[in-house]
Amino acid sequence: AQSVTQPDIHITVSEGASLELRCNYSYGATPYLFWYVQSPGQGLQLLLKYFSGDTLVQGIKGFEAEFKRSQSSFNLRKPSVHWSDAAEYFCAVGPRAGGTSYGKLTFGQGTILTVHP
Amino acid sequence: DVKVTQSSRYLVKRTGEKVFLECVQDMDHENMFWYRQDPGLGLRLIYFSYDVKMKEKGDIPEGYSVSREKKERFSLILESASTNQTSMYLCASSLPTVSYGYTFGSGTRLTVV
Repeated sequence: AQSVTQPDIHITVSEGASLELRCNYSYGATPYLFWYVQSPGQGLQLLLKYFSGDTLVQGIKGFEAEFKRSQSSFNLRKPSVHWSDAAEYFCAVGPRAGGTSYGKLTFGQGTILTVHP
Repeated sequence: DVKVTQSSRYLVKRTGEKVFLECVQDMDHENMFWYRQDPGLGLRLIYFSYDVKMKEKGDIPEGYSVSREKKERFSLILESASTNQTSMYLCASSLPTVSYGYTFGSGTRLTVV
């Protein structure tokens, strides 16, 4: 069965420091890949997505993610974190073809990011 | 601006009440979803609808039902609310292929007392 693992439940960084949030997936074939962000008390907002082609994808708010097929990973990065980036981040995967999971995303457990001034 | 709108941001209901959570999308999406979100448990799928009047159980459907009479509206029903249904409820919609991901509503924080 497909699964998504975000190994870090909680990460704390200082403002201005670089950030990397990890995401590993288990899937039969390369899925669609997504990162979402959730600010406190809000719904989830799409940060970026990977379809195909260039394995480094750019998103909103200065985030980027790199797809590594050999490692089944899709890690999210930001060179310099701002206090407003404090939120919960979710990695998600979805199937490209049919099957019982067609039309549905599988989400990781989320990583809470705290930013210190 | 395309959106998914959940009718209430905060709700407080009493144990045993029948509760309706409403979700409306304006993107003509075929798929709609209800998730509940609890600390440490991530997002858990309650129900999924891929067309009007069509529904599919998710991972935790017990104690819930859904209704989709029109394409743009997907309702979650708690037949008899219990305290263990206190949670954040998220509605989402998408195209059939999820190639563009989901669009989420802002969530409804439900407290059952």
